[in-house]
Amino acid sequence: SQTIHQWPATLVQPVGSPLSLECTVEGTSNPNLYWYRQAAGRGLQLLFYSVGIGQISSEVPQNLSASRPQDRQFILSSKKLLLSDSGFYLCAWSVASGLQETQYFGPGTRLLVL
Amino acid sequence: SQKIEQNSEALNIQEGKTATLTCNYTNYSPAYLQWYRQDPGRGPVFLLLIRENEKEKRKERLKVTFDTTLKQSLFHITASQPADSATYLCALEGWSSSYKLIFGSGTRLLVRP
Repeated sequence: SQTIHQWPATLVQPVGSPLSLECTVEGTSNPNLYWYRQAAGRGLQLLFYSVGIGQISSEVPQNLSASRPQDRQFILSSKKLLLSDSGFYLCAWSVASGLQETQYFGPGTRLLVL
Repeated sequence: SQKIEQNSEALNIQEGKTATLTCNYTNYSPAYLQWYRQDPGRGPVFLLLIRENEKEKRKERLKVTFDTTLKQSLFHITASQPADSATYLCALEGWSSSYKLIFGSGTRLLVRP
């Protein structure tokens, strides 16, 4: 069966510090991968998605970046965090078959920037 | 711009009653509509998917309707239980936006014992 891992679960970082969140998927090949951010009481905002190694599409201009160095690894990064980067970050995967793509979410990382 | 609206106020119902949640959308022609459940501090979990040419879809105590004329989906939980308490998100996938879902902000459901 497929599983998705995210770490860390919780992170407290000072403003201006770098960020690296990692997501890995097991039990599937060539998945579509996604990074979302969810502010408190709000919906999911799609940040990045990837349909293959090295292929990253950015949805929202910001000081975050994403990379996909391996088929089942998706990394979210920042060189300098802002207060507004605080939130709940979710990684998700889906089967790369076109439409009807149910997404499967990881447990999330709660980031607090102080 | 594309917009998805879900009632931001929590729905508070008595155990055993039917819960009905609403998802409205504008400026969008979805190919599929999905419903997810999210518990506090957890990632969303997929529940049901309905296609644009389907009127209704059922799964156990869950029922989803999809009215493309009204641009609305209704999500029903029959014989609700306290364990059904969670936030429910609707998500749309369009014909021209493969790989991407647009999520609503969700409606919180509270089922009183």
